[in-house]
Amino acid sequence: EAQVTQNPRYLITVTGKKLTVTCSQNMNHEYMSWYRQDPGLGLRQIYYSMNVEVTDKGDVPEGYKVSRKEKRNFPLILESPSPNQTSLYFCASTTSGRSTYNEQFFGPGTRLTVL
Amino acid sequence: AQKITQTQPGMFVQEKEAVTLDCTYDTSDPSYGLFWYKQPSSGEMIFLIYQGSYDQQNATEGRYSLNFQKARKSANLVISASQLGDSAMYFCAMRGVNSGYSTLTFGKGTMLLVSP
Repeated sequence: EAQVTQNPRYLITVTGKKLTVTCSQNMNHEYMSWYRQDPGLGLRQIYYSMNVEVTDKGDVPEGYKVSRKEKRNFPLILESPSPNQTSLYFCASTTSGRSTYNEQFFGPGTRLTVL
Repeated sequence: AQKITQTQPGMFVQEKEAVTLDCTYDTSDPSYGLFWYKQPSSGEMIFLIYQGSYDQQNATEGRYSLNFQKARKSANLVISASQLGDSAMYFCAMRGVNSGYSTLTFGKGTMLLVSP
């Protein structure tokens, strides 16, 4: 089954404790992205990757890091989480190709609470 | 830069009635795509419908149709014969040919509640 998986699905942590949210896709997609969703703000892109070892900032990258060492994986790293990073996080992937259609497949989401 | 505007924070509709969720957009891209996603209370993002900027006809997918008015830069979602299971948050999004194919720009969403 074609899917994007994220782990963990739920996480409660404390300020300053480094954490990693994993993301993996089995569709051989080149493009992967991280979004955060906050009430009243919709989804905003944090980082994206166009292929292995190619990453770039989205609209809200501050406080986050990413890496793309393998095509299937795109972990999101919070080196020193703060309460304003409490949010619902989505990983997504899509194929390459110059088409505006390419459907973006979303993971199930990770609900993060930083105390 | 791209922008999506959803002006309706919440909508109420009775079961079996039709409802229109508004979406306007702004972009300088000559070619772009418009998407609607549904997010139920469980949280996952469900793709509903897509409209390309050069498509001649409005997109339809079952009970969902997209009322695309290019000159007005609007892409409203029409749900016919609402069902209780349609209660969810709905997001309009777009991707442009010049803005990177990995990036979707989202609106703030509209919460739809369907009553019996």
